[in-house]
Amino acid sequence: ILNVEQSPQSLHVQEGDSTNFTCSFPSSNFYALHWYRWETAKSPEALFVMTLNGDEKKKGRISATLNTKEGYSYLYIKGSQPEDSATYLCAIPLGGSNYKLTFGKGTLLTVNP
Amino acid sequence: GAVVSQHPSWVICKSGTSVKIECRSLDFQATTMFWYRQFPKQSLMLMATSNEGSKATYEQGVEKDKFLINHASLTLSTLTVTSAHPEDSSFYICSAYGTADSNQPQHFGDGTRLSIL
Repeated sequence: ILNVEQSPQSLHVQEGDSTNFTCSFPSSNFYALHWYRWETAKSPEALFVMTLNGDEKKKGRISATLNTKEGYSYLYIKGSQPEDSATYLCAIPLGGSNYKLTFGKGTLLTVNP
Repeated sequence: GAVVSQHPSWVICKSGTSVKIECRSLDFQATTMFWYRQFPKQSLMLMATSNEGSKATYEQGVEKDKFLINHASLTLSTLTVTSAHPEDSSFYICSAYGTADSNQPQHFGDGTRLSIL
């Protein structure tokens, strides 16, 4: 992995379903990983900043895990609601900088009522 | 807290026009601001890093004479697209740090949709 990759590109789930998606990144020289939620016509909202291998963070029904050795992070949403519909972005510093972020293309989640 | 305001939200103008986009941190001092561009179905791409009181640092492939950045105060950075052409049509979004450290989240504006006719 030479870049930040997110999968799937898009996802449709029913209200009440739990779901998860993946962010993959280069495992060398890891510094931090960011997750953002971006709703249409709004600004991206920070969900988590994760720095430690094995870290798990939780915010309400949303949680994330981090594996820096194998270069991936999972974002989980439990009991999806229509208001969870958004694009979920992950980003890490790449290219020698510890503060300039490289973003994945995002996972577009649509939760159907 | 940590609100970033970006104006305008959308711009439609004729080819050859210069367009200025403002990015303001409303409730914190932003020592570092970033300007990104996003083309359809692509990721946010960093264009430049703006530090208060100093020249912006541009990413490879971004023309500094085309995209003028000014960060004259701790709460305001501006991006001017000079002599814009249709290929400059894109979504531009700014973000800000209080302290430039990726252990901290970036705070984003709402973005500007630029359409050049």
